[in-house]
Amino acid sequence: DIQMTQSPSSLSASVGDRVTITCRASQSISSYLNWYQQKPGKAPKLLIYAASSLQSGVPSRFSGSGSGTDFTLTISSLQPEDFATYYCQQSYSTPPTFGQGTRLEIK
Amino acid sequence: EVQLVESGGGLVKPGRSLRLSCTASGFTFGDYAMSWFRQAPGKGLEWVGFIRSKAYGGTTEYAASVKGRFTISRDDSKSIAYLQMNSLKTEDTAVYYCTRESKWLLQYYFDYWGQGTLVTVSS
Repeated sequence: DIQMTQSPSSLSASVGDRVTITCRASQSISSYLNWYQQKPGKAPKLLIYAASSLQSGVPSRFSGSGSGTDFTLTISSLQPEDFATYYCQQSYSTPPTFGQGTRLEIK
Repeated sequence: EVQLVESGGGLVKPGRSLRLSCTASGFTFGDYAMSWFRQAPGKGLEWVGFIRSKAYGGTTEYAASVKGRFTISRDDSKSIAYLQMNSLKTEDTAVYYCTRESKWLLQYYFDYWGQGTLVTVSS
């Protein structure tokens, strides 16, 4: 199975900050990488697919980049509703696997 | 509007069985593969398995942790996906989510998720 490792595991930031979360795959996965946001008690929500494509309805302050083994999710200007846990997920091979999550907290 | 609604969760004793349902609406259910995920309390997301659409044979794949115990099926006439869970273990305790799998070129992603249903396995 492909292992996905996110960093940092947790992050404190303020409204208006620019934030970057990193995801690394244990082998090359081309651009087969998706990002999800999950708030407490809620289902995950797709933000980015195919490494850099913004899902319909997701604000443009979210962006994704990378290919191969290293990927990033960037939030250009944090809003109060962005405080949540973020997961990367590879779709290069079965089983689809997730990073351990990055918890984004209010500073 | 696409909606996925899981049902059937609850408290069950180890070794017993439970069947979850995922009722879909707002899209042509039979055109999509459907997946199940789970999330143990305070933990991350784990893929359980998926079922392809009939156009791709309606075949299934499972995580190693549930293979031989869990079975996914679908009824396209009712727009429902099922997760039959047998020989349940305490470590199967989790919120279970069903998802729709969408594709773009060769890529796939899970664009709609149900609200989840809690399964607790305890004596």
